[in-house]
Amino acid sequence: AQSVTQPDIHITVSEGASLELRCNYSYGATPYLFWYVQSPGQGLQLLLKYFSGDTLVQGIKGFEAEFKRSQSSFNLRKPSVHWSDAAEYFCAVGGSQGNLIFGKGTKLSVKP
Amino acid sequence: NAGVTQTPKFRVLKTGQSMTLLCAQDMNHEYMYWYRQDPGMGLRLIHYSVGEGTTAKGEVPDGYNVSRLKKQNFLLGLESAAPSQTSVYFCASSPFRHEQFFGPGTRLTVL
Repeated sequence: AQSVTQPDIHITVSEGASLELRCNYSYGATPYLFWYVQSPGQGLQLLLKYFSGDTLVQGIKGFEAEFKRSQSSFNLRKPSVHWSDAAEYFCAVGGSQGNLIFGKGTKLSVKP
Repeated sequence: NAGVTQTPKFRVLKTGQSMTLLCAQDMNHEYMYWYRQDPGMGLRLIHYSVGEGTTAKGEVPDGYNVSRLKKQNFLLGLESAAPSQTSVYFCASSPFRHEQFFGPGTRLTVL
């Protein structure tokens, strides 16, 4: 069965520091992969997506993610975190019903 | 262009009461989805629709019904609410499989 694992429930980084959020997926074929961000009390906003092609994907707000088939991973990165990046981040893989299968999320806190 | 809207934003129900959540999209998307979000659980698919007049069950469909009479609307019904249905409900729409646009959510509390 398809599944997504986000190993880190909560991460705290200092403003200006680099960030990497981990995501591992389980899927038989080439997956469709996504990262979404959710600010408190808000809906989900798409940061970036991978369907095929270049394994390094650029997204909005300065985020990027790299698809590594050999490691079944799709980690999200940002070189310099801003206080406004504090939110919850969800990794997702496309499911067989056209839906998204989400990880349980990683909450990011940013220290001034 | 409002995108995906959800009505209401908040609701408190008593056990056994019924209600309908409305999702509307103005992007002419074929696919629509209802998810529920619970702390530490991520989002889980309740029901979905691949076009007007069609619906199908997702991962956690029990206790919910849906209808898609018009392409732009997707309704989620709770016939007899239970405390286990306390959650935040998100609707999403998609122009094709997988890439989804989410509404702002409905926070439902069942007492």
